[in-house]
Amino acid sequence: GDSVTQMEGPVTLSEEAFLTINCTYTATGYPSLFWYVQYPGEGLQLLLKATKADDKGSNKGFEATYRKETTSFHLEKGSVQVSDSAVYFCALGGGGSQGNLIFGKGTKLSVKP
Amino acid sequence: DTEVTQTPKHLVMGMTNKKSLKCEQHMGHRAMYWYKQKAKKPPELMFVYSYEKLSINESVPSRFSPECPNSSLLNLHLHALQPEDSALYLCASSQGVNSHTEAFFGQGTRLTVV
Repeated sequence: GDSVTQMEGPVTLSEEAFLTINCTYTATGYPSLFWYVQYPGEGLQLLLKATKADDKGSNKGFEATYRKETTSFHLEKGSVQVSDSAVYFCALGGGGSQGNLIFGKGTKLSVKP
Repeated sequence: DTEVTQTPKHLVMGMTNKKSLKCEQHMGHRAMYWYKQKAKKPPELMFVYSYEKLSINESVPSRFSPECPNSSLLNLHLHALQPEDSALYLCASSQGVNSHTEAFFGQGTRLTVV
């Protein structure tokens, strides 16, 4: 079945460092791909999405490109801030009998000043 | 308004208690979900309602009973829970159940069973 694999971390970076969180997927169709962020003690927030191959999703300085040839959707940010410390989940749209979203295991990011 | 509102934010209940979690959205979404999230894990799907009808029940024990009174409201009734049911319970909604629609999540209810 469809699945998502992401690097589990934790990832610790200094402020203004470059961030990459790897995400790869397996899907039988052509689902949308998402990145969600969860700040401590809160629910999940949609960070960005891409609906088809070669689409780039972007928001708040974060970017991810839907790569069909490598089945990847890596999250990147050029310069992280302390306020970016959170858990990041990669997800694909399952639809049908699989419900709405299939999540990766999550990557905890800690940014030090 | 892209908000999903969950109440209460925190709940402590005994194993013999009956309580309910509530969720509300006013985005006109026709699909609503309950997820359970344990610490350091991704959310696990529990139930899906599509057009106010239960469409998915992921083999959840009967001590959890969902209810969808109308298209804006979703409840989760809790009875005779176990300590291992302590978790963050997340409600979400989306325009439909397909592979392209994003889900909007509430802040969650932090449940502790004592």
